[in-house]
Amino acid sequence: GNSVTQMEGPVTLSEEAFLTINCTYTATGYPSLFWYVQYPGEGLQLLLKATKADDKGSNKGFEATYRKETTSFHLEKGSVQVSDSAVYFCVIGRRALTFGSGTRLQVQP
Amino acid sequence: GAVVSQHPSRVICKSGTSVKIECRSLDFQATTMFWYRQFPKQSLMLMATSNEGSKATYEQGVEKDKFLINHASLTLSTLTVTSAHPEDSSFYICSASLAGEDQPQHFGDGTRLSIL
Repeated sequence: GNSVTQMEGPVTLSEEAFLTINCTYTATGYPSLFWYVQYPGEGLQLLLKATKADDKGSNKGFEATYRKETTSFHLEKGSVQVSDSAVYFCVIGRRALTFGSGTRLQVQP
Repeated sequence: GAVVSQHPSRVICKSGTSVKIECRSLDFQATTMFWYRQFPKQSLMLMATSNEGSKATYEQGVEKDKFLINHASLTLSTLTVTSAHPEDSSFYICSASLAGEDQPQHFGDGTRLSIL
């Protein structure tokens, strides 16, 4: 079956710092890769996705590239804001999804 | 667009009670809905895949007689936790997507179930 490993949190950064949240996966076949975000008190939202190797998903300044050779989908943002504080989930799948454990990001002013 | 409504958001009830959770796609038709469970400080675990008009497909280790799933229409799926016990206390989340692969899933806000 599929599995996802992402870095444990919490990750605490100052505003405007560079963010990387590592994610690696094991999968049968060729899954789509996603990052979902859960802001405090809200439900899960799709942040970005990539459906095939070398695709780059991007949204709200966040980026992640589907690396088939390293089975990775690391999330990056060049300059984080306080409003980016949330829990980020690395997710793989086509229909049924497999979630990573989530990484809590705390951005301090 | 693509809003999924889940109700109720929180349930507190006595052991032995059956609890029904509804998941509705408000502005699109979802042939498939998914039910997940999240334990504290852990990730979401897929429980079952709910297909409109047919029986749900359960993941290994999930008791189908304990977690009854009905998907009677293209906009509604229900999860009933039968004779709930304290170990069933958890956060339950549904999702729905349009037909076809690579369609993103849209999640409900979840239901926090607490069994006393």
